[in-house]
Order: sequence, then C-alpha cells, then structure tokens
Amino acid sequence: AQSVTQPDIHITVSEGASLELRCNYSYGATPYLFWYVQSPGQGLQLLLKYFSGDTLVQGIKGFEAEFKRSQSSFNLRKPSVHWSDAAEYFCAVGAGGNKLVFGAGTILRVKS
Amino acid sequence: DARVTQTPRHKVTEMGQEVTMRCQPILGHNTVFWYRQTMMQGLELLAYFRNRAPLDDSGMPKDRFSAEMPDATLATLKIQPSEPRDSAVYFCASGTRPVYFGPGTRLTVT
Repeated sequence: AQSVTQPDIHITVSEGASLELRCNYSYGATPYLFWYVQSPGQGLQLLLKYFSGDTLVQGIKGFEAEFKRSQSSFNLRKPSVHWSDAAEYFCAVGAGGNKLVFGAGTILRVKS
Repeated sequence: DARVTQTPRHKVTEMGQEVTMRCQPILGHNTVFWYRQTMMQGLELLAYFRNRAPLDDSGMPKDRFSAEMPDATLATLKIQPSEPRDSAVYFCASGTRPVYFGPGTRLTVT
C-alpha cells in the first residue's frame, strides 16, 4: 500500500534562513508526487508536482523539490524563508485511480 | 481563476441532525474527491467520483454518510444522523494530477 512519511511534525526556522522539509514515500510503481501548503483556516494549495523527467522541480513561491528514487524521497526546499511561509506543508503521492495519499504534515514556524 | 467552491464554509449542528455539504468542482474536471481532515487522522479520502460515477467510497462510514453527484457541477456529501465524532474539516477537490482543493467546510457537531 502507498504511504507517505513526513518525519518532522514541527520545524522552526529564522526568517531568511534556508528550509528543507523531508518526505519519504512508499509506492510500488513510478510515483506521482506533490507538495501542498495549507495556511490556517484555508484549503490546500498546490506548491509543485513531479510526474517524470527532471528530478528537480520548481514550484510557486520560490519552492523547489528534488525527487530521489534511490532514497524514495521528495524533499521540499526554499533558499530563504519569509514570514509568510509559516503554514503546514503536506507531501502526497498519487496512488491508483488518481487518489492522493498524504503525509501527516509538517508545521513550519518562522522566527523573525 | 478557476476554483473549487464549497458551501457552507462553517456549520454547527446538534447531534442527530442531517448535514449536507455542497461542492462545485472546477468546470471540466471529471474527477471529484471528498477528503476529511482531523487532528488525529490527518487527511483521509472519503470518496471519489469520475464522470459522476462513484469509484471508491471505502473510506466513508456507510451507515451515516452518503456522497452523490447529481450533475457535473455539483457534488454533495451528506451525514445523517450526525455525531460529535464527525466534527472535522471536509474538503472537496477536483482534477487529475494535480488535484485542486476547495476551501473546506468546517463542521462542528455538538
């Protein structure tokens, strides 16, 4: 069965510092991978997606993620975090029939 | 800017009452999902449809929950009777790789 692990429940970084959020997946076939962001009281907004090809994908708001098949990982990165990036981030794998299986989420706090 | 819309955004009801949540998927999207989000369980898939036909509702408690798509522009999720443990945020989403989410309905059952 497909599963997604986000090992960090909370992460705190200083504004301007770099960020990496970890995501590991379990899926038997070629995965479709996604990162979503959720601000308090809001829905989930798609940050970026990986289907195939270049393993480094660019998303909105200056985020990028790198697919590493050997490590079953799809970590999200940003070189310089802004206070407005504080939110919860979800990694997801596209399972059979277009369903998404989500990780538990990582809450990002940004210190000023 | 096409978006998934959901109504109501907030609903407070008493245990035993019927609750109906509505969703308008993005025009042209033929795959529609219902997810539930709670602190304890995170995001769970309740049901999804393709071309208005239910493909998988295995995540949904069958005795009290029902999901339908009366037409291509409307999806509904109904709980009857509601229970306090149903308190959660219910998201509708549409699309295929990627999936786009609505703003959610925050349900509180007292």
